Amino acid sequence: KNEVEQSPQNLTAQEGEFITINCSYSVGISALHWLQQHPGGGIVSLFMLSSGKKKHGRLIATINIQEKHSSLHITASHPRDSAVYICAVRPWGGGSQGNLIFGKGTKLSVKP
Amino acid sequence: DAGITQSPRYKITETGRQVTLMCHQTWSHSYMFWYRQDLGHGLRLIYYSAAADITDKGEVPDGYVVSRSKTENFPLTLESATRSQTSVYFCASGGPWGTQYFGPGTRLLVL
Repeated sequence: KNEVEQSPQNLTAQEGEFITINCSYSVGISALHWLQQHPGGGIVSLFMLSSGKKKHGRLIATINIQEKHSSLHITASHPRDSAVYICAVRPWGGGSQGNLIFGKGTKLSVKP
Repeated sequence: DAGITQSPRYKITETGRQVTLMCHQTWSHSYMFWYRQDLGHGLRLIYYSAAADITDKGEVPDGYVVSRSKTENFPLTLESATRSQTSVYFCASGGPWGTQYFGPGTRLLVL
């Protein structure tokens, strides 16, 4: 059973397109993270959110707690946005503090 | 420089050998984590530590041992490496409720 599902698994876009990556989860959460993994393998945190919407440059993350769903949007996409985007959630209570549950990632390729 | 580093970055070993992967962070973060990343799986937690001398198992701890005698270091040891432990290993640090900062990863091949 996958507690965090991402869609699509793979996405190819043309430069300039608006991109949406989706994340659905099945557990109650205290926070949701979006991470970016570059082709070289490094992982960086993009957003942490527990409600509403956050924006950083061309990236926008939204979350709907009632629907257990989050989206990551990229406006005016560029080839340098090519990466794997990973959704991770921190469940409420139970388990261990700090534990995240990760989705399998969405591989984005932006063509010039 | 401030940050989180892992060593070695690449390692080839043979089944049955003991291997230690090192992780060092300079932020004095209380929490540190070890993950493995395999094709077809998301990142999976091996072990984590809430503070020096406090460690706990994650989702896939079998075959691994950790220690944390100092806040800044969190080594991961494969006591007797198996082929199934071929993977990319990421160390991360952070607070218990906030952002986690990832190291560059160690690519381990067990022959």
